[in-house]
Amino acid sequence: EVQLLESGGGLVQPGGSLRLSCEFSGITFRGYVMTWVRQGPGKGLEWVSGISGSGDSTYYADSVKGRFTISRDNFNNTLFLQIKSLRAEDTAVYYCAKGYYDSYYLDHWGQGMLVTVSS
Amino acid sequence: DIVMTQSPDSLAVSLGERATINCKSSQSVFYSSNNKNYLAWYQQKPGQPPRLLIYWASTREFGVPDRFSGSGSGTDFTLTISSLQAEDVAVYYCQQYYNTLSLTFGGGTKVEIK
Repeated sequence: EVQLLESGGGLVQPGGSLRLSCEFSGITFRGYVMTWVRQGPGKGLEWVSGISGSGDSTYYADSVKGRFTISRDNFNNTLFLQIKSLRAEDTAVYYCAKGYYDSYYLDHWGQGMLVTVSS
Repeated sequence: DIVMTQSPDSLAVSLGERATINCKSSQSVFYSSNNKNYLAWYQQKPGQPPRLLIYWASTREFGVPDRFSGSGSGTDFTLTISSLQAEDVAVYYCQQYYNTLSLTFGGGTKVEIK
């Protein structure tokens, strides 16, 4: 059974940084594209970033480009999102989600973790 | 970016009746080389992560009840719940994955019981 377990969320001040992690288990991690999707309070889903199975290709929403960095450790089956220069509008539940091989329809999702940016 | 527009924003349907949700993309998400539409549908219940229902516009994910169906091609797509059940109350999202440099979701449609 595929499981995605997120960690690293919490309360951070504006301008601060966090590193989100998503531990993957159940199947071979490196074979699948991975993404981060967020959902602001009472809002819809917003794609944040994606990464290829090898980690060689990365993609970002314009709203986070230059501030967020996605990466993966295929040896330890973990996905990361380094986020810096946080703004109030980055407050959201962050989900990691697995694609299907190299297709970005998202067939497994983590439970989500809340990132709150506030002073 | 490909903009995904869903309609309606919300709808109330009687138990056992049909619910229809529309999704329109600002450009085609059909890839002619493999004859596939890069369109997925998700269901999200309160306090839960989204759940994949449909991919390639019309392929039902394993374990999804057959009352859920997807149709459409190019820029216009529909998710149909043929006979609404109480457990189908949720928000539904469409998503294009044609442009992998920038995935986009529709704004969501809230389905309630009338």
